[in-house]
Amino acid sequence: GAGVSQSPRYKVAKRGQDVALRCDPISGHVSLFWYQQALGQGPEFLTYFQNEAQLDKSGLPSDRFFAERPEGSVSTLKIQRTQQEDSAVYLCASSLARIRQNEQFFGPGTRLTVL
Amino acid sequence: SQQGEEDPQALSIQEGENATMNCSYKTSINNLQWYRQNSGRGLVHLILIRSNEREKHSGRLRVTLDTSKKSSSLLITASRAADTASYFCATDAMDSSYKLIFGSGTRLLVRP
Repeated sequence: GAGVSQSPRYKVAKRGQDVALRCDPISGHVSLFWYQQALGQGPEFLTYFQNEAQLDKSGLPSDRFFAERPEGSVSTLKIQRTQQEDSAVYLCASSLARIRQNEQFFGPGTRLTVL
Repeated sequence: SQQGEEDPQALSIQEGENATMNCSYKTSINNLQWYRQNSGRGLVHLILIRSNEREKHSGRLRVTLDTSKKSSSLLITASRAADTASYFCATDAMDSSYKLIFGSGTRLLVRP
């Protein structure tokens, strides 16, 4: 079956623009995660959904970052008034597990460049 | 902030040689995972080892875990050019087991 998909794969934004990044998880996966990966670094946790409920948003860098998963499937990560420091690869992952941590399946990521 | 440090940061070997990467972490964990990331692609899960396990094998991969030293190693035997990638260890925290905390990665180059 299909894996996790993300769109767009690449996004160039001018500083101050709003952007929306989409994630389609594997069908039936309860858990969905967003990570931010800076160049040359490992991914860093942003936020976690269990179905439509956002259970942890402790990793979101500022109130300019907002994520939603209204129907418990597709998720959108929105960044308002983008800044240059927001430039990174944004990775989405999904997992079948409800409670205990399980293998996470990652999408290809969206590379955001803020000019 | 990142949980772990990986060593070495970069590794270059000849095809056929073995590659060993190490990972250290800071807090108590439920399990530790290794992921591979090829240039321009997403992360691919390689292997998971639980905190009560000491060693695990999967094909050409061998993972060890020493919870007393808070460290793990990944051994890739008989490396191939296709193994060229970045390798990351990832841990969960016992108080938030859903969250993966990644190390900074080892960039492996396997020369044909």
